Amino acid sequence: GAGVSQSPSNKVTEKGKDVELRCDPISGHTALYWYRQSLGQGLEFLIYFQGNSAPDKSGLPSDRFSAERTGGSVSTLTIQRTQQEDSAVYLCASSVRLPGRGRYEQYFGPGTRLTVT
Amino acid sequence: GESVGLHLPTLSVQEGDNSIINCAYSNSASDYFIWYKQESGKGPQFIIDIRSNMDKRQGQRVTVLLNKTVKHLSLQIAATQPGDSAVYFCAENAGNMLTFGGGTRLMVKP
Repeated sequence: GAGVSQSPSNKVTEKGKDVELRCDPISGHTALYWYRQSLGQGLEFLIYFQGNSAPDKSGLPSDRFSAERTGGSVSTLTIQRTQQEDSAVYLCASSVRLPGRGRYEQYFGPGTRLTVT
Repeated sequence: GESVGLHLPTLSVQEGDNSIINCAYSNSASDYFIWYKQESGKGPQFIIDIRSNMDKRQGQRVTVLLNKTVKHLSLQIAATQPGDSAVYFCAENAGNMLTFGGGTRLMVKP
């Protein structure tokens, strides 16, 4: 079946411009996560959505970052007034279970590579 | 703060040898751990998981060992193949999310 998809796969933008990154999770997955991965680094948690609950935004690095999830499915990560340090791969993941409640696995998309020039 | 980290950033092994990738964690409250494999240009892919009430779990060619006494997690890959070349991440659950380590690059020499 279809996995997590993300678009665009690559995005080059000028410093100061806004960008929107899209994530289509696996159908039926109630949890959705956004991570940022800088070159050669690990994954940095950004934000988490679970069903209709208020999102956990504790990982967002600044108020220039925001995300929404419409209809419990597609999610958009928006970065306003982009800076060069925002350059990274932005990964989206979805899961059907939470940790501690049976086997838990986050399924990752291929990521969007963002380059801010 | 609590963190998950790795001892070796790069591991080079000969094809056919066994590989061992290590990870140290500091959150003693974590009760669930996962190993992910990330190939170039792709998102991380689940390999194997283990709960804190276990100390060993085996999959196909992979074994995860958990030592809660020293807060250490390892991934063993038997008969390493060129297709195993990737970056491997350990992760621990922290509430409703996973905290990832920095990653180890595994390079398999033919």
